[in-house]
Amino acid sequence: AQSVTQLGSHVSVSEGALVLLRCNYSSSVPPYLFWYVQYPNQGLQLLLKYTSAATLVKGINGFEAEFKKSETSFHLTKPSAHMSDAAEYFCAVSRTGGFKTIFGAGTRLFVKA
Amino acid sequence: DTEVTQTPKHLVMGMTNKKSLKCEQHMGHRAMYWYKQKAKKPPELMFVYSYEKLSINESVPSRFSPECPNSSLLNLHLHALQPEDSALYLCASSQEVQVSYEQYFGPGTRLTVT
Repeated sequence: AQSVTQLGSHVSVSEGALVLLRCNYSSSVPPYLFWYVQYPNQGLQLLLKYTSAATLVKGINGFEAEFKKSETSFHLTKPSAHMSDAAEYFCAVSRTGGFKTIFGAGTRLFVKA
Repeated sequence: DTEVTQTPKHLVMGMTNKKSLKCEQHMGHRAMYWYKQKAKKPPELMFVYSYEKLSINESVPSRFSPECPNSSLLNLHLHALQPEDSALYLCASSQEVQVSYEQYFGPGTRLTVT
């Protein structure tokens, strides 16, 4: 069975600072990994996904994530936070041959002016 | 067009009412999903349709009844709900049901059961 753990339910950064949101997964087979963002009162929007083509994945809005098999991690980063990045971020995992995507508990990102 | 639309945006219903949530996509996707999301929680999968046929039912109570009239539309019929069913209901679609495909989410219907 696969699972995903997001470390830190809340992360606060200053505008212009590095954003780092942590995600660790477990999967018995090569996983597919996703990061989604949810702004208040909206649905989820895909930021990026990993499907084994490249370990460093670039997404929208300046975000990127690196797949590290040895650490079973898929952390999300952005070099410089913007006020508009304040939202809930979900890491998600699914496994080859499966039909279900498992979402992490989410991390709320706060950006201070 | 990469949009999934949902109506209504907000719904308040009593425990004896019957109502329906609607979802529509015009991306040619063949998989459609219903999720339930409680405040400060991740989405919980309820149902998955693949090529207009129900393929996954996550042991959802029968007071929730999904329907997929065609490849673009997905409905969720509600009857005799409980206050604990109050939540944000999200519809999503993907190219196929295989999990390598990302899901596109609608804005959700905020449901309150009184």
